[in-house]
Amino acid sequence: ETGVTQTPRHLVMGMTNKKSLKCEQHLGHNAMYWYKQSAKKPLELMFVYNFKEQTENNSVPSRFSPECPNSSHLFLHLHTLQPEDSALYLCASSQEGGTKNIQYFGAGTRLSVL
Amino acid sequence: AQSVTQPDIHITVSEGASLELRCNYSYGATPYLFWYVQSPGQGLQLLLKYFSGDTLVQGIKGFEAEFKRSQSSFNLRKPSVHWSDAAEYFCAASGGSNYKLTFGKGTLLTVNP
Repeated sequence: ETGVTQTPRHLVMGMTNKKSLKCEQHLGHNAMYWYKQSAKKPLELMFVYNFKEQTENNSVPSRFSPECPNSSHLFLHLHTLQPEDSALYLCASSQEGGTKNIQYFGAGTRLSVL
Repeated sequence: AQSVTQPDIHITVSEGASLELRCNYSYGATPYLFWYVQSPGQGLQLLLKYFSGDTLVQGIKGFEAEFKRSQSSFNLRKPSVHWSDAAEYFCAASGGSNYKLTFGKGTLLTVNP
């Protein structure tokens, strides 16, 4: 148990569906991250929130929409996804968004887009 | 551009054998370095980190890593591998003005009984 909880663990959705991924951290951290992990590719940083403000959007398509209502919760809203968006989506948190800050990861949501 | 390279995609060792996983980095300055492990169906767990000081760092589960500036390397080692060590291992780096973690592609470790 890392203190970062992601729900759901598995999600299957059609290309026209709208769904949301949830991440909650119980570590008192101020920075939260979304990563995409696809087979045979390095982890891709998608979004960073530091003290609830988005500080990084790594050229992510608009069909992915993040939301950070407070420092403990992070959402990823999904709509009109493509099959190539199927992947493991990992959430992480750190004390704050600095170079020495260690990131703690959740177990991920395995997303399949049909 | 900043990058982290893990040359070995897949390594197989026998239980009880020693292990070394390679990691090389390319950064403008000495980065902060990390090793994470990912078991099937799980997220990433931090094994150890190097920020400065002693170049040999100890981590959890009996792992250690050595930072070698001259070789731009941060290799992970374990003297005796256990079957439960079978997982995927990721090297990562951050530093300079870039606080983001840059990950290698990972090394999948298989442990034979």
